[in-house]
Amino acid sequence: SQKIEQNSEALNIQEGKTATLTCNYTNYSPAYLQWYRQDPGRGPVFLLLIRENEKEKRKERLKVTFDTTLKQSLFHITASQPADSATYLCALGTNDMRFGAGTRLTVKP
Amino acid sequence: EADIYQTPRYLVIGTGKKITLECSQTMGHDKMYWYQQDPGMELHLIHYSYGVNSTEKGDLSSESTVSRIRTEHFPLTLESARPSHTSQYLCASSALQGADEKLFFGSGTQLSVL
Repeated sequence: SQKIEQNSEALNIQEGKTATLTCNYTNYSPAYLQWYRQDPGRGPVFLLLIRENEKEKRKERLKVTFDTTLKQSLFHITASQPADSATYLCALGTNDMRFGAGTRLTVKP
Repeated sequence: EADIYQTPRYLVIGTGKKITLECSQTMGHDKMYWYQQDPGMELHLIHYSYGVNSTEKGDLSSESTVSRIRTEHFPLTLESARPSHTSQYLCASSALQGADEKLFFGSGTQLSVL
């Protein structure tokens, strides 16, 4: 069956450190992969997109990698800040958009 | 800033009632989606649409219907609400741009069925 799996447990890190979140998928062949941020009670907000032929994408303090052989994407937030605390979702681009359950990140001052 | 609106923001109703959740976007996007999300859980795709007069079923489509008569409007209807329908419902839209399909989400409708 098709699955999108993210770190099931919450991630707690100290301010200034790098947060690394994982997204693994099975039985999908996505043309691209996206990362979204979701705050409590709100809809997700788009952050980054990486295509199947791209290895790495950066935007300010964010970095995404995409390994189609491993069927995995890593999402990094460098120099993390308390304001980065949120749930981060990965989504696969196929005919429709499928989301993982997300990883809840808490950055402590 | 995304211009996609959902109403109502919160809704409490009794079992057996028919309800319609509204979703409108002013961005001229062709593609629209409905997702259901329980706290701390993944988004489940309910229905989606490629454009006017197009509707497609997702994973949780059996207990609801949608229509797409106008580009900007994509309402979701539950014919007979049950307590199991208690959840947050998120509407989203995107422009059909090949591999750059970014979704813009509304703020959601929190539905409670008593």
